[in-house]
Parts: sequence; structure tokens; C-alpha cells
Amino acid sequence: DAMVIQNPRYQVTQFGKPVTLSCSQTLNHNVMYWYQQKSSQAPKLLFHYYDKDFNNEADTPDNFQSRRPNTSFCFLDIRSPGLGDAAMYLCATSRGTDSSYEQYFGPGTRLTVT
Amino acid sequence: DAKTTQPTSMDCAEGRAANLPCNHSTISGNEYVYWYRQIHSQGPQYIIHGLKNNETNEMASLIITEDRKSSTLILPHATLRDTAVYYCIVRVARYSTLTFGKGTMLLVSP
Repeated sequence: DAMVIQNPRYQVTQFGKPVTLSCSQTLNHNVMYWYQQKSSQAPKLLFHYYDKDFNNEADTPDNFQSRRPNTSFCFLDIRSPGLGDAAMYLCATSRGTDSSYEQYFGPGTRLTVT
Repeated sequence: DAKTTQPTSMDCAEGRAANLPCNHSTISGNEYVYWYRQIHSQGPQYIIHGLKNNETNEMASLIITEDRKSSTLILPHATLRDTAVYYCIVRVARYSTLTFGKGTMLLVSP
């Protein structure tokens, strides 16, 4: 089945140690998103790619970066994780940017910072 | 984006219809109403969306009032697996991002 895949499902990193989360999709969608969801809160958009065009949300910390080497893959890099970055990170895709297109989410990667 | 208001929580008996309301009184003419749900420890799942007309798919029905100021998501025969947080989201046309609110925690009980 076509889907959005996130690896790993659980990631533990040390305070200040760079970490990369990965997302892949078999939907061939143009747009890929990264959301952060802290405990008991709603998902919050960090940034998204339309093809190779990167769109950062205004309040996303500089500590968070992203790469999209091809249509299928997108990475979230946290350069110096702090304790406050512990969260579920969700990847999503959509065919286009028009709001008539729904977003499809992966299962998420739960990040723990020790 | 228009703000949405949803009840914090709702209960439903298994097999009965679950009717989840959403108020979006400031919605504009080009804004879609979307519903997603998130089962515990999983990613959000798309349910349904609409602009003006009522919509139905294999998961649910979406009823939008004529003035578009509110809508209701209907799960016709709720099961235990429908226990989740349900998010009502209003999206501006030609703008791709989703802004999640607090949602409604639906608990389906035997």
C-alpha cells in the first residue's frame, strides 16, 4: 500500500547531540511536511517542502533544519537537541498546496532527549 | 485562518451514532472545513472535508450549515476503534498548511 513511512519510531538522543529523523513516501506527492507534537498538545507545523522549495514557519527555531534530497525522502535535523525538543515528530504529505488536497500522515517518531 | 471551537470531550456508546460539532463562525467563503482524527500514539488520519455541500465517505458524513458557521461530523455506527481526538480545521484556499486546535476527545464505550 502507498504510504508515509517514518524511521525510527522511537529515537533517544543526548542533550546537545545532533539527531536526524527520516520520512519516506510512496505516494509520489509533491509536498512534504514536518510537524512537532508535544505531550497532550496538538501537532504544530515546523516547515514544509513543495518539491524542492523550502517553506519555514516563522516561529520554528533555527535548531531545526530539513533536507529533501528527492521526491520520496525528507529529513528533519535537530542540530542541538534540548530537553524541550522531546516530542512526537510527524511527517505528512499532500499532492499539492491547494487546500482541497488532504494531508497523509506517517506514524510519527517519538524523540526522547536525555 | 478562521478559528474553530469544539467541545473538549464527548462520550458515545458503541454502535450508536457519534455527532461531533464544530463552530467556525468567522469562516470565509474560500475556506474548507477539514476533519482529522488522531488515535493515541498514532499520526493524524484524514477523515473528510467540505466547502459548502454536505459530504459523505466510507468513514463519516460532514454536515455544514447553510451559513457555514458550524458543521457536524457524524460517525454513523461508532466502534471502540473510533476512540480518538477529533480535530476540526478550517483551511484557506490555496494554502496548504494545517493549523490544529485542541480537538474533541471522543470516548466510545461498550
